[in-house]
Amino acid sequence: QSALTQPASVSGSPGQSITMSCTGTNSDVGSYNLVSWYQQHPGKAPKVMIYEGTKRPSGVSNRFSGSKSGNTASLTISGLQAEDEADYYCCSYATSGTWVFGGGTKLTVL
Amino acid sequence: EVQLVESGGGLVQPGGSLRLSCAASGFSFSNYWMHWVRQAPGKGLVWVSRINSDGSNAIYADFVKGRFTISRDNAKNTLYLQLNSLRAEDTAVYYCANTLSYYFDYWGQGALVTVSS
Repeated sequence: QSALTQPASVSGSPGQSITMSCTGTNSDVGSYNLVSWYQQHPGKAPKVMIYEGTKRPSGVSNRFSGSKSGNTASLTISGLQAEDEADYYCCSYATSGTWVFGGGTKLTVL
Repeated sequence: EVQLVESGGGLVQPGGSLRLSCAASGFSFSNYWMHWVRQAPGKGLVWVSRINSDGSNAIYADFVKGRFTISRDNAKNTLYLQLNSLRAEDTAVYYCANTLSYYFDYWGQGALVTVSS
């Protein structure tokens, strides 16, 4: 199972919006609406930000939103804040019955 | 409050074995699927294994190739990962995570496994 493809880095200024992509295949992202997104600050455990493509867990800011088109999922963060600076990972359930992560995107808030 | 606490990590020689534990509290452990996810130093997250709620079914990433075994003891609210035939490339922080669906809800703080001679 190959890793999902994420850009290595994205950046934005406070208050701006950014979107990061996550590209898979017909065997994972394209087969189900089961993409999730995780935020990880240095030295910390990951935290789920989006699940089932578009749903936000309780307590996650509505500045975070998810979408999907074909084999590509996207995470959008609006009103960028300094605390959003972190690594972000997408993950998808796959037809093999396993899960596959992306390589991660480092978000820098300028 | 949901808590997942991993233990059992450490330094092991190539070819050696280790058993990781994940003690769960604050939720109905026996109702949840549980996962192990690992992260090599400075690298990304990699899914390792999942076990269903009653322990009757488990699935593994291809790279495990029969070397790792996931198990659980619902009476003790504890998840395990037996690591055998360890290689240098298995060096990583191993996280346990719970889920009621197809994503990872709560995560532990991780246990570091270092494979080196």
